Amino acid sequence: TQLLEQSPQFLSIQEGENLTVYCNSSSVFSSLQWYRQEPGEGPVLLVTVVTGGEVKKLKRLTFQFGDARKDSSLHITAAQPGDTGLYLCAGVGYGGTASKLTFGTGTRLQVTL
Amino acid sequence: KAGVTQTPRYLIKTRGQQVTLSCSPISGHRSVSWYQQTPGQGLQFLFEYFSETQRNKGNFPGRFSGRQFSNSRSEMNVSTLELGDSALYLCASSLVASGGGQQFFGPGTRLTVL
Repeated sequence: TQLLEQSPQFLSIQEGENLTVYCNSSSVFSSLQWYRQEPGEGPVLLVTVVTGGEVKKLKRLTFQFGDARKDSSLHITAAQPGDTGLYLCAGVGYGGTASKLTFGTGTRLQVTL
Repeated sequence: KAGVTQTPRYLIKTRGQQVTLSCSPISGHRSVSWYQQTPGQGLQFLFEYFSETQRNKGNFPGRFSGRQFSNSRSEMNVSTLELGDSALYLCASSLVASGGGQQFFGPGTRLTVL
């Protein structure tokens, strides 16, 4: 059962464009993580958002955690070819289940010149 | 510091066989989690080990099992392989268990079942 839905599933844009990826759930999480995965590699953590309503910026990437702690978004400004990859959100549970990450369905981003 | 290593990187098996995958965590990390990644189901949690004890388990059949050794290295075993077990198997290590720290993923083992 997939508890985290990401949209869009695929995104192909040109360098310099802006984009937003959404991650929605019916469940509440203690925190939300965003990963990027490139071919042949495991996911790499980009950020963890912990507080409802929190906004975090990482250079051209802006992450937001919804007030109700059920949804999150990732906004990329002026995308570059190096941003190409699979973006995954992951919900962190509470207490003893916190290590049992629940991953989203994924958004595959391709940025072309 | 070396990252998480997984061996082998690629594996081809036939239905009915069994397979053992290995994961060496980052030095000092005591928690190892395993995930299965497929195009249809995405990334799904298999189980987590900490100090040689299984702490969490996902919704997978009993054919999937694992263990952790005293040096924190972990193995997962899949018996009676089915075609649907073809996937990328990822392990992740962290310093502490149950969400206390960031998980670092290895490159995965690509298993193909024919």
